[in-house]
Amino acid sequence: ETGVTQSPTHLIKTRGQQVTLRCSSQSGHNTVSWYQQALGQGPQFIFQYYREEENGRGNFPPRFSGLQFPNYSSELNVNALELDDSALYLCASSLWDRGSTFGSGTRLTVV
Amino acid sequence: KNEVEQSPQNLTAQEGEFITINCSYSVGISALHWLQQHPGGGIVSLFMLSSGKKKHGRLIATINIQEKHSSLHITASHPRDSAVYICAVRSTRNYGGATNKLIFGTGTLLAVQP
Repeated sequence: ETGVTQSPTHLIKTRGQQVTLRCSSQSGHNTVSWYQQALGQGPQFIFQYYREEENGRGNFPPRFSGLQFPNYSSELNVNALELDDSALYLCASSLWDRGSTFGSGTRLTVV
Repeated sequence: KNEVEQSPQNLTAQEGEFITINCSYSVGISALHWLQQHPGGGIVSLFMLSSGKKKHGRLIATINIQEKHSSLHITASHPRDSAVYICAVRSTRNYGGATNKLIFGTGTLLAVQP
């Protein structure tokens, strides 16, 4: 079975730009959650997608949005990037409410 | 106060030592994860448990649901065990419909010296 793959691994963007991060779920998993991990902090829940619909959201503004595709892969989009958006973005897939498999993350730097 | 608290925040050990990392939480949970994160890297799930104890190689995880406490033990520690160990709980609270949402502790940075 394949694990969770995230791309790109590293990314540098300028303040005000938009970014799209991608996640391929583990085979057989239908739920994807996205987390933001700032330096020295634990990951914070952004949102979750199940069957292509948002299924819960953490305390993040609307400029953080996502998509889930029929093959259960997912995208995280962030508009109007701010310096504080610099973080490691983690994707975790699961089969509904069972154990999660994490990707290696995308390191986003906003300058 | 964070819903998930870990201790210690930093831990330095000598190779071969027995290590314990603690996690306390204040919410109702359906499961608890112990995760490992290497510097700059992604997260690897070590254990998911909802009761009792689990063992995998030199790693042992225990949980006491009544006391809302879990421990991760590493026996015969080795420099390759150096990483951040994170406790995360799956809360039973409904976050706008999200299931399997995890609440993370801030991690314990472990350094095992040869």
